[in-house]
Amino acid sequence: EAQVTQNPRYLITVTGKKLTVTCSQNMNHEYMSWYRQDPGLGLRQIYYSMNVEVTDKGDVPEGYKVSRKEKRNFPLILESPSPNQTSLYFCASSNPPLMDTQYFGPGTRLTVL
Amino acid sequence: GESVGLHLPTLSVQEGDNSIINCAYSNSASDYFIWYKQESGKGPQFIIDIRSNMDKRQGQRVTVLLNKTVKHLSLQIAATQPGDSAVYFCAENKGNTGGFKTIFGAGTRLFVKA
Repeated sequence: EAQVTQNPRYLITVTGKKLTVTCSQNMNHEYMSWYRQDPGLGLRQIYYSMNVEVTDKGDVPEGYKVSRKEKRNFPLILESPSPNQTSLYFCASSNPPLMDTQYFGPGTRLTVL
Repeated sequence: GESVGLHLPTLSVQEGDNSIINCAYSNSASDYFIWYKQESGKGPQFIIDIRSNMDKRQGQRVTVLLNKTVKHLSLQIAATQPGDSAVYFCAENKGNTGGFKTIFGAGTRLFVKA
């Protein structure tokens, strides 16, 4: 089954404790992306990757890092989480050159205390 | 798409009626537009898309209209069903001209009354 998976689905952590949210897709997509969703603000793009070892900032990259060492995986790293990063996070993937729909993962709900 | 702050626009329709959800997009250079449906507790799901060289596209019970003159996108759902209740997002992809970014609208919540 074609899918995007994220782990963990739920996470409660404390300020400053480094965490990683994993994302994996099995569709051989070149493009992958991370979004955060906050009430009334829709989805805002954090980082995206056009291919292995190619990443770029979206609209809200501050406080986040990503890496793309393999085509199927695109982890989101919060080196020092803060309460304003409490949000619902979605990973997505698609075929290049983005003239195609993105497939979204199930979401990761992160709470930073 | 427009940001509408903390409160989602809401549309309430009677089952069987047609629904029209509107969206204003931000960048005239955007070349690909998509409508997504998001049900509670799930990620956005593709409904229909349209490229900038088109002004109308039809799917099964859904139609997307694109008016590039006023940067407006609409989603029409025919014979709305209770299963259509969800939040609907428009999104614009900027492709080559915009650094391959995707911009989402704030969303519209659709309620279908039985």
